[in-house]
Amino acid sequence: AQSVTQLDSHVSVSEGTPVLLRCNYSSSYSPSLFWYVQHPNKGLQLLLKYTSAATLVKGINGFEAEFKKSETSFHLTKPSAHMSDAAEYFCVVSEHSGNTPLVFGKGTRLSVIA
Amino acid sequence: DTGVSQDPRHKITKRGQNVTFRCDPISEHNRLYWYRQTLGQGPEFLTYFQNEAQLEKSRLLSDRFSAERPKGSFSTLEIQRTEQGDSAMYLCASSTRTGAEETQYFGPGTRLLVL
Repeated sequence: AQSVTQLDSHVSVSEGTPVLLRCNYSSSYSPSLFWYVQHPNKGLQLLLKYTSAATLVKGINGFEAEFKKSETSFHLTKPSAHMSDAAEYFCVVSEHSGNTPLVFGKGTRLSVIA
Repeated sequence: DTGVSQDPRHKITKRGQNVTFRCDPISEHNRLYWYRQTLGQGPEFLTYFQNEAQLEKSRLLSDRFSAERPKGSFSTLEIQRTEQGDSAMYLCASSTRTGAEETQYFGPGTRLLVL
């Protein structure tokens, strides 16, 4: 069975400082991993995805994530936070092959302080 | 806008009433998923369709819940005899599979409040 653990329920950073949102996963198969963002009263938006190609994945809005199989991690980073980055972030896993739904973590709320 | 759309966006109902939600996927997507998201939690899978066939249902989907996708295009999710515990955001996503890759695109959700 697949599962995702987001290690922080809330992260607060100052504008212009780096962002790190931590995620560990568990999967019996070669996983696909995703980060989605959810702004208040908006739908989930895909930030980036890993599907067994390059381990360093670049996404939208300057975010990137690195797949580390040995650590079963897929942490999300951004060099410099912007006020508009404040939102809920979800780390998500699915099996790389076969018909499986997405399994979401509980989310990390990112606050950006001016 | 060619994204996933859901209707209504908000629904308030009294306990015991039936409600129905609609999802229109991205037009070329043959897969459609329903998820439920309660406050402070990540979305949880309910069910999914490939074309008109319902291929998987979660244990979360009690017998009061039914979903259809009659022509392989839009889908409906009905909740009968609603309970206060059904209050949640109901999310729809659609996708198409390219080789071994699949990415799901989400609609804005329907927020249900059962009084």
